[in-house]
Amino acid sequence: DSGVTQTPKHLITATGQRVTLRCSPRSGDLSVYWYQQSLDQGLQFLIQYYNGEERAKGNILERFSAQQFPDLHSELNLSSLELGDSALYFCASSGAQDRGYGYTFGSGTRLTVV
Amino acid sequence: DQQVKQNSPSLSVQEGRISILNCDYTNSMFDYFLWYKKYPAEGPTFLISISSIKDKNEDGRFTVFLNKSAKHLSLHIVPSQPGDSAVYFCAASAGYGNKLVFGAGTILRVKS
Repeated sequence: DSGVTQTPKHLITATGQRVTLRCSPRSGDLSVYWYQQSLDQGLQFLIQYYNGEERAKGNILERFSAQQFPDLHSELNLSSLELGDSALYFCASSGAQDRGYGYTFGSGTRLTVV
Repeated sequence: DQQVKQNSPSLSVQEGRISILNCDYTNSMFDYFLWYKKYPAEGPTFLISISSIKDKNEDGRFTVFLNKSAKHLSLHIVPSQPGDSAVYFCAASAGYGNKLVFGAGTILRVKS
């Protein structure tokens, strides 16, 4: 158990729908990162939050949004889903113990859009 | 724009031999490099890292080499074991607290 919890583990939904992926970071970690891994692709950075504030943004589609709540958990919202959004979505967190580099990943949410 | 590249999608080695996984980067601002290992149905887990001020870092069977002039790093696993079979991701960071940029990964298969 890495300490980073992602729910749900699997999600199957239809095109055009909206889903919410949830992430609870490791205890004490202030930074949360979201990554997308599509088939045969590496981990693509989506967005980073630090203590509730957006810190960095990657190639995140306008149909996607995220937020980090006061209790530090984060949610990634995906709307108007398309078949190409099917992927593994990973959340990671980092804190002082990581000394500024590297982070711990959750086990991911596998999203299948049909 | 792929700033971190792993040009070998897969690698197969015999148990007991050396596994060498390679990674190239283009961004001169990267100052910290990491390798992550990923098993199916699990998230990536940290394996080993190296700062740009070093050229080598060892941790047991794992050694990472950094060649800054060539913008190249490699991960050596000696001796390779069947349990090392996984996807290995190279990652880089430009500055304290910044995001990691990942390569596409290399699938390592260690045959017994």
